[in-house]
Amino acid sequence: AQRVTQPEKLLSVFKGAPVELKCNYSYSGSPELFWYVQYSRQRLQLLLRHISRESIKGFTADLNKGETSFHLKKPFAQEEDSAMYYCALSGAAGNKLTFGGGTRVLVKP
Amino acid sequence: DTAVSQTPKYLVTQMGNDKSIKCEQNLGHDTMYWYKQDSKKFLKIMFSYNNKELIINETVPNRFSPKSPDKAHLNLHINSLELGDSAVYFCASSQVGGRGPNTEAFFGQGTRLTVV
Repeated sequence: AQRVTQPEKLLSVFKGAPVELKCNYSYSGSPELFWYVQYSRQRLQLLLRHISRESIKGFTADLNKGETSFHLKKPFAQEEDSAMYYCALSGAAGNKLTFGGGTRVLVKP
Repeated sequence: DTAVSQTPKYLVTQMGNDKSIKCEQNLGHDTMYWYKQDSKKFLKIMFSYNNKELIINETVPNRFSPKSPDKAHLNLHINSLELGDSAVYFCASSQVGGRGPNTEAFFGQGTRLTVV
């Protein structure tokens, strides 16, 4: 079974401070991990995926298979980063995406 | 052009009614999905269709019936609506088959269903 856990429901940080969103997963095979973001009243959109190994909007995430984690980090948070963030895992079953519970990030000025 | 579009965006209806939500994608993807986002923002997959065939059917009441007339469309019909059906329903699509790696899922803007 696929499972994704995001332990923090809310992260509140000041502008310019670092932010880290935790994501842990369980999956028996080789997973594909994603971070999706949902800005206020907008659709979910892909932020980044682990196979791309790229930085998007200053965010990075490293897949740690030993710790089964895919934490999302940004060294200097901006107000426009305020949104809901979902970690997701895709296994083999028809590309089914299993989402974590989501973390709301609030960046204060 | 919108890649994944859902209609309607908002739907308010009374308990016991039957309603449908439509979804269309113009990305040429072979797989489409319905997700439910509850009041706590938790996202859960309901159904997935690949080339018009149902491949994922999570534990969903049989009042919910998806229909895929072709690869580009996946509609969701809900019978005898209940208060607990109130949620935001997201349609999504992705490419699963083919030579390249699976694409990420592209989402519609969501349909906010309120049952009163």
